[in-house]
Amino acid sequence: AQSVTQLGSHVSVSEGALVLLRCNYSSSVPPYLFWYVQYPNQGLQLLLKYTSAATLVKGINGFEAEFKKSETSFHLTKPSAHMRDAAEYFCAVSYTDKLIFGTGTRLQVFP
Amino acid sequence: ETGVTQSPTHLIKTRGQQVTLRCSSQSGHNTVSWYQQALGQGPQFIFQYYREEENGRGNFPPRFSGLQFPNYSSELNVNALELDDSALYLCASSGRGAENIQYFGAGTRLSVL
Repeated sequence: AQSVTQLGSHVSVSEGALVLLRCNYSSSVPPYLFWYVQYPNQGLQLLLKYTSAATLVKGINGFEAEFKKSETSFHLTKPSAHMRDAAEYFCAVSYTDKLIFGTGTRLQVFP
Repeated sequence: ETGVTQSPTHLIKTRGQQVTLRCSSQSGHNTVSWYQQALGQGPQFIFQYYREEENGRGNFPPRFSGLQFPNYSSELNVNALELDDSALYLCASSGRGAENIQYFGAGTRLSVL
């Protein structure tokens, strides 16, 4: 069965520091890959999407992710964290019409 | 263009009761998917509707059922509620196909006592 693994349930960074959130998927066939963000008491908002057009995908709010087929990874990065980036981040894959989500990574940003 | 809206935002039920959650899809979208998000977990796929027909189902029992209407809005019904059904229920609308972005509503938080 397809699955998504997000390493690190909690990540803490200082404001201005690099953000790296890890995501690995299990599949021999590259799926469609997504990163979503969830702020407290809200639904999910799309950050970015990989559809095989380019391995480096730029999203909203300064986030980007790089697809690495050899590592079956799709890690999310941001060069400089802001306080407003504090939220829960979910990596998801889609092979059919459903999304399979990882367990999420909570990002804390300290001043 | 209106986004995905869900109602109600919060709901409290007791074990054994039945509940109906509602979702209005985004304009132009013909597909609605429902997800259950337990506390501290990622969303889990319940089922999907495309043009009023069920188009895939996750590992949820038959007491979870749904409908999609001609205007593509949707309902999620849960019978015989159990304590473990307490969760945030998310609705997402999209075009059909794995490559399509699913746009999520803010969710309905269900508490079963």
